[in-house]
Amino acid sequence: KAGVTQTPRYLIKTRGQQVTLSCSPISGHRSVSWYQQTPGQGLQFLFEYFSETQRNKGNFPGRFSGRQFSNSRSEMNVSTLELGDSALYLCASSAGTDQETQYFGPGTRLLVL
Amino acid sequence: AQSVSQHNHHVILSEAASLELGCNYSYGGTVNLFWYVQYPGQHLQLLLKYFSGDPLVKGIKGFEAEFIKSKFSFNLRKPSVQWSDTAEYFCAVNKGWGAQKLVFGQGTRLTINP
Repeated sequence: KAGVTQTPRYLIKTRGQQVTLSCSPISGHRSVSWYQQTPGQGLQFLFEYFSETQRNKGNFPGRFSGRQFSNSRSEMNVSTLELGDSALYLCASSAGTDQETQYFGPGTRLLVL
Repeated sequence: AQSVSQHNHHVILSEAASLELGCNYSYGGTVNLFWYVQYPGQHLQLLLKYFSGDPLVKGIKGFEAEFIKSKFSFNLRKPSVQWSDTAEYFCAVNKGWGAQKLVFGQGTRLTINP
């Protein structure tokens, strides 16, 4: 089974721009979660989508948004980028039921200049 | 709010030494517990997990962890480390009700000297 894939792997943007990151979950998985990883704040939960609906949300501003498609693929969008948005963005997938493990993708490294 | 504490930020050991990394969480209800590892240049991988049952769980590469409910702890252990265990280790918790939000500890960087 193929693992979680994320595109692009690296991205450089400037302040004020917007960015869209993509995640393809493991086949059969219906839940996709997004995390932000930074040296200062560690790994922080952004949001989770299950069957095209946002089921959980972390404490991030509204500039961070996401969606999930009928094939379970998910996108994350960050608008009006700030320098502090520079981070590794990780996507994780799971079946979405209780007692399920999340499997992580390699991440998209975003640098905001 | 739910939180996870990893007491050691950076641990340096020699090969063949024994390892124990501490993890404590604050949530009092039903939880699922995980240890993930991030090798240099690689993505997060699951080491082991605890959902219910035997509180001593075994994972990959000789790692094990013990869930002590009374202490809200889930410490990671390995009797004899190898140079290839050099990595960052993350403890994570989620509520056992289908929610997929993982709360992570700050991570412990483990350096093994050959």
